[in-house]
Amino acid sequence: ETGVTQTPRHLVMGMTNKKSLKCEQHLGHNAMYWYKQSAKKPLELMFVYSLEERVENNSVPSRFSPECPNSSHLFLHLHTLQPEDSALYLCASSQGTGLPEQYFGPGTRLTVT
Amino acid sequence: GQNIDQPTEMTATEGAIVQINCTYQTSGFNGLFWYQQHAGEAPTFLSYNVLDGLEEKGRFSSFLSRSKGYSYLLLKELQMKDSASYLCAVRPNTGFQKLVFGTGTRLLVSP
Repeated sequence: ETGVTQTPRHLVMGMTNKKSLKCEQHLGHNAMYWYKQSAKKPLELMFVYSLEERVENNSVPSRFSPECPNSSHLFLHLHTLQPEDSALYLCASSQGTGLPEQYFGPGTRLTVT
Repeated sequence: GQNIDQPTEMTATEGAIVQINCTYQTSGFNGLFWYQQHAGEAPTFLSYNVLDGLEEKGRFSSFLSRSKGYSYLLLKELQMKDSASYLCAVRPNTGFQKLVFGTGTRLLVSP
């Protein structure tokens, strides 16, 4: 595997379910990000982890819970979501220092029914 | 506050040149990025400007004027595969490597 991978690619869940999104980066980066992309809206930053510590939490509801067990893996745990949470969830990684660009995974298309 | 503006949609023909503009107002400035995103795919990094002027990378160039809060992405010799959304993003001074994105410009290249 190369770059940034995300699983699952598609997820349909009910409002009472609990699920997790997984992201893995194979680039040796030390910063990882979760973004939400809704139709006709800008990409919204949700969480940032640097060296496995959360450094940014953009007023995200507590029904979204991130976890970063090591610098290569990032999870987003989901519970009691709302239909308006349906969106594309993108993971990204960057070097943290030096090169500033972020590299994105293909995303998980989430539908909440 | 943070605000990034770019046109919603543009059309152009194969072989032509197109310029996609981006204006921004952010709390501080620490660089501007352009990403390309094909439908259903991940955004991919195109260019980064932190100083005024033009950065050229093959068929793609990006320009920045910090005093005007303005950037553009120039695509030359357009190809059908350039049909995609182009996202402008600014890194403000606040937040760890935080990026603030515009809504993106959907470019349609026709034969």
